[in-house]
Amino acid sequence: DAGVIQSPRHEVTEMGQEVTLRCKPISGHNSLFWYRQTMMRGLELLIYFNNNVPIDDSGMPEDRFSAKMPNASFSTLKIQPSEPRDSAVYFCASSFVVGTGELFFGEGSRLTVL
Amino acid sequence: KQEVTQIPAALSVPEGENLVLNCSFTDSAIYNLQWFRQDPGKGLTSLLLIQSSQREQTSGRLNASLDKSSGRSTLYIAASQPGDSATYLCAVGGNKLVFGAGTILRVKS
Repeated sequence: DAGVIQSPRHEVTEMGQEVTLRCKPISGHNSLFWYRQTMMRGLELLIYFNNNVPIDDSGMPEDRFSAKMPNASFSTLKIQPSEPRDSAVYFCASSFVVGTGELFFGEGSRLTVL
Repeated sequence: KQEVTQIPAALSVPEGENLVLNCSFTDSAIYNLQWFRQDPGKGLTSLLLIQSSQREQTSGRLNASLDKSSGRSTLYIAASQPGDSATYLCAVGGNKLVFGAGTILRVKS
């Protein structure tokens, strides 16, 4: 079975540009999570969805960040405008909340904002 | 607010040793606890999940235990191998998993 698929794997952009990260969760999973990982702060939950509905976005750092999940098989995380401090690895993860809730991660998108 | 602490932060052992990684958490009202492995430049791989009603889980050379009352979990790795070298992360919660900072493990051949 395919795991969580993220794209792009690497993104280098200049400050002020819009960045869009994409995620395809595991088929059948009904919860989707966006995490950010940095050396300084470790893994931080940005937002999560249940059945395509955003449940908790309290981890989204500021209004420059937005996330959508238009259907069960696709989600985006957008940063507009991007800033150098947004440089990090962004992970998408999914789970089947009615089951064990085991969380499965994608390979991540490494973002560098110059 | 849930806080998760992992000790030690880093560990270097010779091949073949049995070792224990520790995880502690401040709020015992958790739904489950999950141990992950992360290789450099990669995503997190789920190793073991313990639900709140369980005491331990085993997979191959790995055994994880959970003591909710004391807010502790341990990951036991038997007969360590160089391929076990990675960062091991503990995460607790329910829908919102809170992660520890991880233990960087190096197994020397």
